[in-house]
Amino acid sequence: GAGVSQSPSNKVTEKGKDVELRCDPISGHTALYWYRQSLGQGLEFLIYFQGNSAPDKSGLPSDRFSAERTGGSVSTLTIQRTQQEDSAVYLCASSLVGTSPFFGPGTRLTVL
Amino acid sequence: GQNIDQPTEMTATEGAIVQINCTYQTSGFNGLFWYQQHAGEAPTFLSYNVLDGLEEKGRFSSFLSRSKGYSYLLLKELQMKDSASYLCAVREDQGGKLIFGQGTELSVKP
Repeated sequence: GAGVSQSPSNKVTEKGKDVELRCDPISGHTALYWYRQSLGQGLEFLIYFQGNSAPDKSGLPSDRFSAERTGGSVSTLTIQRTQQEDSAVYLCASSLVGTSPFFGPGTRLTVL
Repeated sequence: GQNIDQPTEMTATEGAIVQINCTYQTSGFNGLFWYQQHAGEAPTFLSYNVLDGLEEKGRFSSFLSRSKGYSYLLLKELQMKDSASYLCAVREDQGGKLIFGQGTELSVKP
C-alpha cells in the first residue's frame, strides 16, 4: 500500500478484556516496529520485527502483551486482560533495513 | 543505559529561527533521527544524521556531533504550521529500534 495502515483507528474496551491491534506495513518493508504513546509523552518502544522474527522484544511491558508477524507483512499486537494503564495510542512503523521508519496513524486504545 | 534529553517546550515567533537541542547517551550509535508530530497525528520523518556535520533540507537543518552526543534541529522562517512536537530519536544498532526522547513542544506565535 501507499503507507502504513492500522486498524481499528479507535478501540474502547472494558478492563479485563483482550484486544487485538493490526498493522499493515508498507509493501516490501522488512522491518516493523510497535510503539505506544501516552498523552503528552514520548514514544515508548514495544517490539521490533525483522521479517517474521522478533529480535527485540525488550519493550513489552508485561506477559499480557504479545505480537506476531506472518508472511513478513501484517502484524498483530495482542493485549490480554487489559488494564486502565494500557490506555494509549499504539503506533506501528515499518522500514527497509537501516532506513528511517514510516509511521501509521495509530490505534487509540481506551480501557474503561 | 539509554538517555535522550530535549527541552519540553519552546516558543518562537513567526518568521524567526529556532534551534531545538537534543543530547543523548546510548550504548551504541547508528544514526540520529528527527520527527515532527502534530497533535493527534502520527510522527513524520524530518531528517537523519549518521556522520558529524550539518544536513540541510529546505527550511529545516539538522546537526550532529557524535563526540559530544549532541544534535540540534534548526527551523528557519518559522510558519504557524510548524507548531508541533519535535522528536529526537537514536538508533543504537543497524536495523534496530529507534529510542525516542520525550519530544519538544514548539509553539509558533504571530
